[in-house]
Amino acid sequence: EVQLVESGGGLVQPGGSLRLSCAASGFIFSSYLMIWVRQAPGKGLEWVANIKQDGSEEYYVDSVKGRFTISRDNAKNSLYLQMNSLRAEDTAVYYCARIIAGTLYYWGQGTLVTVSS
Amino acid sequence: QSALTQPASVSGSPGQSITISCTGTSSDVGSYNLVSWHQQHPGKAPKLMIYEGSKRPSGVSNRFSGSKSGNTASLTISGLRSEDEADYYCCSYAGMRVAFGGGTKLTVL
Repeated sequence: EVQLVESGGGLVQPGGSLRLSCAASGFIFSSYLMIWVRQAPGKGLEWVANIKQDGSEEYYVDSVKGRFTISRDNAKNSLYLQMNSLRAEDTAVYYCARIIAGTLYYWGQGTLVTVSS
Repeated sequence: QSALTQPASVSGSPGQSITISCTGTSSDVGSYNLVSWHQQHPGKAPKLMIYEGSKRPSGVSNRFSGSKSGNTASLTISGLRSEDEADYYCCSYAGMRVAFGGGTKLTVL
């Protein structure tokens, strides 16, 4: 059974940093593109970043470029999102998902990040 | 502003059919057959309902169907049930970049 379990969310002050993790199981993690998507309270889904299978290429939405870094450790079946210089508008539930042939096929349950003083 | 345009809300009575549209551009929806639809109930993670425009994952009811014409994709739900009440998001994958619609709230009257 495919499982994606996010962790690392919490309350952080503006300007602070947080590292999210996504533990994958039930499939060959190193074979798939992975993605982070977020959802601000009461708002829609927003693509954040995605990363190729071997970590060689990363893509980001403009609003997080230079502040967020997506990475993966295929030996640990884990995806990460390092978030620096956090702003109030980064407050959201962050989901990781597995991409198959251009489709976000499986989603994790999400982890809440709150940026507030 | 969302990259893809969806109606904010639609409604229908049990047993009826509804259609949700998703309008993009020739650079995303129009060029790639990689539109997916995701259902989200309150407080829950999204769930894939349709992929590659019209395909259903295993376990998804055949009451859900998808189509595309030009730069607009559509999700149709037939035989509406109360459990279909949720938010629905279209998603387009184009050249490693992902765009979502703003979401459509489906109310089953």
